[in-house]
Amino acid sequence: DAGVTQSPTHLIKTRGQHVTLRCSPISGHKSVSWYQQVLGQGPQFIFQYYEKEERGRGNFPDRFSARQFPNYSSELNVNALLLGDSALYLCASSPGQNSNQPQHFGDGTRLSIL
Amino acid sequence: QKEVEQNSGPLSVPEGAIASLNCTYSDRGSQSFFWYRQYSGKSPELIMFIYSNGDKEDGRFTAQLNKASQYVSLLIRDSQPSDSATYLCAVNKPANAGNNRKLIWGLGTSLAVNP
Repeated sequence: DAGVTQSPTHLIKTRGQHVTLRCSPISGHKSVSWYQQVLGQGPQFIFQYYEKEERGRGNFPDRFSARQFPNYSSELNVNALLLGDSALYLCASSPGQNSNQPQHFGDGTRLSIL
Repeated sequence: QKEVEQNSGPLSVPEGAIASLNCTYSDRGSQSFFWYRQYSGKSPELIMFIYSNGDKEDGRFTAQLNKASQYVSLLIRDSQPSDSATYLCAVNKPANAGNNRKLIWGLGTSLAVNP
């Protein structure tokens, strides 16, 4: 079975632009979480979606938004990009919304802002 | 005090030795504890998870949990050069804590296994 898939793998944008990152969870998983990881840091929680509804939000500005589709895939959108948004963006899926369940990560999207 | 703390390392061990990685957490209500391995430039990979006090073994890996002392550790027996990576500790935050963050991560410990 396929694992979590993310696209694109790499992306280069300039300040002020908008970006959309995509994620497909493991088959049967209904929860998707998004994380931002900068070099030398642990992942920082951005959003969790379960059954197409937002179930958790981290301390990120409103420029960050996300949604989940009926097939449980998800998009992360970031508007008005800043240099500080350069990071590895990780998507993780789990069967349900309970944080007791292990999360499985995709390969990530590396976003570079020039 | 950080919610999840790990020694950043680097921890250096010779090949074949036991590597011991430690993690402490602040929220006594936490119930689930996860260890992930992350190679440079790659995404985190789940190694172990543990819910109950005591030891949990899986191959060369053993997770140890002590809720009274609020620490969780990961032991890697017969360390191999391929184990060289950053090991991340993640702890769940109870959903009723009034905080939207579900999983809290440490900064990771860098492990180097020397041939």
